[in-house]
Amino acid sequence: DSGVTQTPKHLITATGQRVTLRCSPRSGDLSVYWYQQSLDQGLQFLIQYYNGEERAKGNILERFSAQQFPDLHSELNLSSLELGDSALYFCASGRWANEQFFGPGTRLTVL
Amino acid sequence: DAKTTQPPSMDCAEGRAANLPCNHSTISGNEYVYWYRQIHSQGPQYIIHGLKNNETNEMASLIITEDRKSSTLILPHATLRDTAVYYCIVRPLPPVVGTSYGKLTFGQGTILTVHP
Repeated sequence: DSGVTQTPKHLITATGQRVTLRCSPRSGDLSVYWYQQSLDQGLQFLIQYYNGEERAKGNILERFSAQQFPDLHSELNLSSLELGDSALYFCASGRWANEQFFGPGTRLTVL
Repeated sequence: DAKTTQPPSMDCAEGRAANLPCNHSTISGNEYVYWYRQIHSQGPQYIIHGLKNNETNEMASLIITEDRKSSTLILPHATLRDTAVYYCIVRPLPPVVGTSYGKLTFGQGTILTVHP
């Protein structure tokens, strides 16, 4: 158990819909990272927040957005969903520069 | 971040050492070598990292060549639970927590299968 929690574990929705994925970092970790893992693209970095502020952006689509709240939990919002958005979405948190602790992921299926 | 090259798959007998190679010939002087693994659709797990000296922790050992162009992750006594995808990642050590250097860039990794 990494100490990072993600909800929900599974999510099934239809194309065109909007969903919100939630991440609670380890206690004391100020950085939150979001990654997407699909069969064809592998594990890809989406976005990073640090203490409520966006710090880095990767290959995140404009239809996707994220935020980190004052209690440090983070949400990833995915809208106008397409079949290709079906993937595992991981959240990771870190306090020091060396390690990132990953959550168990949310498996999104878009039908 | 420097590009890494890993074999797509490797096999290992249970109880034997698993030696996973990684080539990072374009590594820069300020870049560290990190290893993570992912056990079947679980979140990736940090294993070890190093700059130029060999490193060892409770999970594994990391051997970095003197020219730093390649490294080997060693699992000294592999078990069935070590079957996973192993990722070698090269990136700078973020000077300050929270900088944009924190992201990890994953390649395809090596699928290690440990056999009974």
